Amino acid sequence: ELKVEQNPLFLSMQEGKNYTIYCNYSTTSDRLYWYRQDPGKSLESLFVLLSNGAVKQEGRLMASLDTKARLSTLHITAAVHDLSATYFCAPDLSRAQKLVFGQGTRLTINP
Amino acid sequence: GAGVSQSPRYKVAKRGQDVALRCDPISGHVSLFWYQQALGQGPEFLTYFQNEAQLDKSGLPSDRFFAERPEGSVSTLKIQRTQQEDSAVYLCASTPGWGLAGAGSTDTQYFGPGTRLTVL
Repeated sequence: ELKVEQNPLFLSMQEGKNYTIYCNYSTTSDRLYWYRQDPGKSLESLFVLLSNGAVKQEGRLMASLDTKARLSTLHITAAVHDLSATYFCAPDLSRAQKLVFGQGTRLTINP
Repeated sequence: GAGVSQSPRYKVAKRGQDVALRCDPISGHVSLFWYQQALGQGPEFLTYFQNEAQLDKSGLPSDRFFAERPEGSVSTLKIQRTQQEDSAVYLCASTPGWGLAGAGSTDTQYFGPGTRLTVL
């Protein structure tokens, strides 16, 4: 059974700072998705990582995937308040897009 | 174009009642997924359709849960004899691809706004 652990679960940081969210998963998966969820809203796709060593960047967010270590990271650079949300990673368990979501990291960015 | 829509957005049911939740995927999307999201948790997979075929229902928590997609477009998730532990947000997602290794298997899942079910 695939288990997904995100770390930290809660993160409060100041604007302008950098931080990294970690996503560890327990079995082989060669693709992983990152999603954002605002309170009371649905999930918004951020990144799809398709292979070992994949790195994608969009604005102040950068995601990477190490399939050998079963680890993905989401790095936030010079955080701004608009990035406050809950972030989920989701490895694809079966290549049929049967995603297994982590518990989520609730990020709060303070002015 | 229109995204994934779900109805109703909110549903309150008394314990023991049956409920039906509807999902309208993006037009033309082949694959459709249902997830259950408990408060403060990540979504958990319930079931998956490729057109009208239900290819995976391993996540359905009990035989009280039933999903269908008879014409390969709109899907309905039905919960019979609702229990308090069924209270959650039910999310629907769709992708254009076939969900198999190969063509379309990297498609992003586009999520609907969800239906918040509260069972009293």
